[in-house]
Amino acid sequence: QITLKESGPTLVKPTQTLTLTCTFSGFSLSTSGVGVGWIRQPPGKALEWLALIYWNDDKRYSPSLKSRLTITKDTSKNQVVLTMTNMDPVDTATYYCAHRRRDRSGFDYWGQGTLVTVSS
Amino acid sequence: EIVLTQSPATLSLSPGERATLSCGASQSVSSSYLAWYQQKPGLAPRLLIYDASSRATGIPDRFSGSGSGTDFTLTISRLEPEDFAVYYCQQYGSSPLFTFGPGTKVDIK
Repeated sequence: QITLKESGPTLVKPTQTLTLTCTFSGFSLSTSGVGVGWIRQPPGKALEWLALIYWNDDKRYSPSLKSRLTITKDTSKNQVVLTMTNMDPVDTATYYCAHRRRDRSGFDYWGQGTLVTVSS
Repeated sequence: EIVLTQSPATLSLSPGERATLSCGASQSVSSSYLAWYQQKPGLAPRLLIYDASSRATGIPDRFSGSGSGTDFTLTISRLEPEDFAVYYCQQYGSSPLFTFGPGTKVDIK
């Protein structure tokens, strides 16, 4: 059974750096073809993909946010960490991590999401 | 940059009716790498369809996907009460690597 769970601060101040951790179980990020991505959703709005890391440490980023994002993995801890610098109120959103297989187009397992509010 | 559009924005139907949701892409979607998700309030999205027409694990067969190139469709053959939700399409492969559409809300008429 695959599960993922996001953790991190619920409130950050403008200009601060956000660090979110995705802790997962039921799969290994050392298995060929497996990836974990981050997707966010501002309140009442659509989904936006942020970043993805694969089993082989291949990392991909949204071009519009690439300069602010870093994704890393700790295979021994079954964790993926996303950092986003220079947070702004427009970054207020629910942040999800999700599992995908490289041979399929979708994210098949999602965490419950964590709401991050950016406010002074 | 590929952009996805979804129509209609809102679809008002009754239980038992057929729902047809459209997703259009500004350029051809690579190898039909298109997925559909269902999202209910306060919950994470749920993968319904991947690679345009393959049902994800545990998804009822009343959900079906079709299309290729720039035009894709999600069909719900007979709406059940639990199907009223927001549906998103998502492409994989073109820049940005993943793009989501704006969503279609299916609500009760």
